[in-house]
Amino acid sequence: QVQLVQSGSELKKPGASVKVSCKASGYTFTSYAMNWVRQAPGQGLEWMGWINTNTGNPTYAQGFTGRFVFSLDTSVSTAYLQISSLKAEDTAVYYCARDWGGWLHSPWGQGTLVTVSS
Amino acid sequence: EIVLTQSPGTLSLSPGERATLSCRASQSVSSSYLAWYQQKPGQAPRLLIYGASSRATGIPDRFSGSGSGTDFTLTISRLEPEDFAVYYCQQYGSSQTFGQGTKVEIK
Repeated sequence: QVQLVQSGSELKKPGASVKVSCKASGYTFTSYAMNWVRQAPGQGLEWMGWINTNTGNPTYAQGFTGRFVFSLDTSVSTAYLQISSLKAEDTAVYYCARDWGGWLHSPWGQGTLVTVSS
Repeated sequence: EIVLTQSPGTLSLSPGERATLSCRASQSVSSSYLAWYQQKPGQAPRLLIYGASSRATGIPDRFSGSGSGTDFTLTISRLEPEDFAVYYCQQYGSSQTFGQGTKVEIK
């Protein structure tokens, strides 16, 4: 079955970097784009952007430029989200979600909690 | 950017009751590109409805979506215990945005 499995929770200090992985299985990785979505504690869903899994070309939503980088390793069907210069307000659950078609997200990874605290 | 406003913020109902959730867009959503997701505590969201009214694979028929233009509705005909969750609408006709969510809680 189609599945996205993300890396485990991270605890980082302000100013550090973190890299979250999202390993896909059950389908051809390069046939579907991958989205990233952020959910701050107790808050709603915020689309961060997407990456074309064919070309590796990323597109970032407003507010997610500069410190956020999407990347791929197609040899292991894995997408990555790297966040640099972490701030307390980056504390959130980060989800990867396959683009099912036209910005529909299905399925989603289980989420990765990134906590930024000194 | 299209802003989606969901109402009510919280809906308190009993199992077996009918739930009606609203999603209003700040401008018309092209081609009814409106989806609904369900999120249970500690879980990732799950796609329920797309194209305003089409159920995703495996979604029970007690879930239905309707609407067009700027006003959309998700209806759960008879609430089952597993339906108590947070529901988000998403427009994907002009880039994409999510509503702030409606929590359906047990009364």
